Amino acid sequence: GENVEQHPSTLSVQEGDSAVIKCTYSDSASNYFPWYKQELGKRPQLIIDIRSNVGEKKDQRIAVTLNKTAKHFSLHITETQPEDSAVYFCAPRAGGGNKLTFGTGTQLKVEL
Amino acid sequence: SQTIHQWPATLVQPVGSPLSLECTVEGTSNPNLYWYRQAAGRGLQLLFYSVGIGQISSEVPQNLSASRPQDRQFILSSKKLLLSDSGFYLCAWGSGNIQYFGAGTRLSVL
Repeated sequence: GENVEQHPSTLSVQEGDSAVIKCTYSDSASNYFPWYKQELGKRPQLIIDIRSNVGEKKDQRIAVTLNKTAKHFSLHITETQPEDSAVYFCAPRAGGGNKLTFGTGTQLKVEL
Repeated sequence: SQTIHQWPATLVQPVGSPLSLECTVEGTSNPNLYWYRQAAGRGLQLLFYSVGIGQISSEVPQNLSASRPQDRQFILSSKKLLLSDSGFYLCAWGSGNIQYFGAGTRLSVL
């Protein structure tokens, strides 16, 4: 099965700074790489995803980059705001499957 | 539009009692359905998933079971709860790659 690791487990930044969270996976057949955001007490929600034929995708202040050779992908948040404070999960999907394997999460805290 | 309903939101049960959590999806047909458990606000662990009526795949050995009696209904059950079954249970439905989560059930076993 897929082994997924996320780093760091906690991240504290000042408002306006950038934040980067890295996810490494083990299954070289993985072909879909999403990031989910879970605010305190709420359900996880997809914020950005990338497929294996693309190296980078950007959506306003968030971006995801993929390095298939090294088997890792990263979430980048620029100009962080207090509402970015949440737990972020990567969840790569193995090729051809119906399952996502969630990482252990990164607690991001944006301080004023 | 599609919606997912999960209930109850909170549940307190004694050790040894049975459990039934229900999840229903509206606005889509033949969705993939999932049950996850989340401990201490982190780490979503996939428990069961289903690609169709009566088709259940179990991911981890445990005290729980799942059933899908109808296309858009997914039920998580236990005959006798253990203390270790406490946690936050999330149902999700999938369309293509994306999974959409319900609001979750916080289960406390005392």
